[in-house]
Amino acid sequence: GAVVSQHPSWVICKSGTSVKIECRSLDFQATTMFWYRQFPKQSLMLMATSNEGSKATYEQGVEKDKFLINHASLTLSTLTVTSAHPEDSSFYICSASHSGVLYNEQFFGPGTRLTVL
Amino acid sequence: DAKTTQPPSMDCAEGRAANLPCNHSTISGNEYVYWYRQIHSQGPQYIIHGLKNNETNEMASLIITEDRKSSTLILPHATLRDTAVYYCIVRVANGNEKLTFGTGTRLTIIP
Repeated sequence: GAVVSQHPSWVICKSGTSVKIECRSLDFQATTMFWYRQFPKQSLMLMATSNEGSKATYEQGVEKDKFLINHASLTLSTLTVTSAHPEDSSFYICSASHSGVLYNEQFFGPGTRLTVL
Repeated sequence: DAKTTQPPSMDCAEGRAANLPCNHSTISGNEYVYWYRQIHSQGPQYIIHGLKNNETNEMASLIITEDRKSSTLILPHATLRDTAVYYCIVRVANGNEKLTFGTGTRLTIIP
């Protein structure tokens, strides 16, 4: 149990286009989901915290109009990178907190590698 | 969240125990010690967590000092698949609270 998936696993897009990344909790309900970004040889940096049915909370320095987050259900959150540029190329990872007996833990998706040409 | 300090890298021979240290001298009374690992190009994987007692599961053991200012993650019989970056994180035991990742320890298992 407690599996988180992401789609797509990798994506290549042209500069100026928008890309949507999905994060799903497959076998549990997740009231809170988190979005991280990881550049090569660096650690994970939290971008935003997403609660089902409410607006996401963004970390300082993260542009909310550029990185649109929607958490419409207890099993799905989406991150849309709008007007992507090469500097947005990164590894995007989501995590979900378990609302059941495993409430202390966060479970991570496999990540989505975005390359902007 | 309190900050943690870990060595940037470690090597361990295959089959031996890997002992990964972590200092968290400013940990608060209600904060737990969590360990995650990240294999190259994958999402982080939860390993173990504890408050003050030593903990063991199928993956590893966690030894926390009595003053809780440091801890050690032990992989009892390291395999090549344990090569990863290991992150020690302290936070309250609430899955809705964010995790703050430091730089971690890059553990390399040597054949």
